[in-house]
Amino acid sequence: GAVVSQHPSWVICKSGTSVKIECRSLDFQATTMFWYRQFPKQSLMLMATSNEGSKATYEQGVEKDKFLINHASLTLSTLTVTSAHPEDSSFYICSALGASDHEQFFGPGTRLTVL
Amino acid sequence: GQNIDQPTEMTATEGAIVQINCTYQTSGFNGLFWYQQHAGEAPTFLSYNVLDGLEEKGRFSSFLSRSKGYSYLLLKELQMKDSASYLCAVNTGTASKLTFGTGTRLQVTL
Repeated sequence: GAVVSQHPSWVICKSGTSVKIECRSLDFQATTMFWYRQFPKQSLMLMATSNEGSKATYEQGVEKDKFLINHASLTLSTLTVTSAHPEDSSFYICSALGASDHEQFFGPGTRLTVL
Repeated sequence: GQNIDQPTEMTATEGAIVQINCTYQTSGFNGLFWYQQHAGEAPTFLSYNVLDGLEEKGRFSSFLSRSKGYSYLLLKELQMKDSASYLCAVNTGTASKLTFGTGTRLQVTL
């Protein structure tokens, strides 16, 4: 149980285009999901908290108009990187909060490369 | 602010025991997690401590001292597959958010 999937697992896009990443909880419902970004040889940095049916909460320094988050159902959150630039190239990881309210279950990650 | 410190890199020999330390100073505390992460993959859960003391799970043990803001992860009978990054993360109690430490890259050698 407690499986989280992400799609796509990797994506390459041209500078200026938008990319959508999906995060799904496969066997449980998650009212709260989290989006992280990880640059090479660095730890995970929380970008935003995604809440089902309401606006996402962004961490300081993360542009909400650039990283659009939609949590339209209890099993799906999407992150759209708008007008992507090479500096947005990173490993994006989502997690879903379980019923215990403290354990997060992580997706396999999406590697984004912007040319 | 939140501050979580770990050694950047460690090296240990196959079959040995290694201890990875984590110190933290956070605005709130609602538990500490240890995750293992292989390169290019998502973190996998290893342990969770919310009370002081030692939690043992097979070859892995984790210790917490809340008064000292200190935790360690102990790996016994090291195997080559244990070569990975080990991430210490604190649930700061704010909307169940996790703040991750810098991570410790462990290299297991023959």
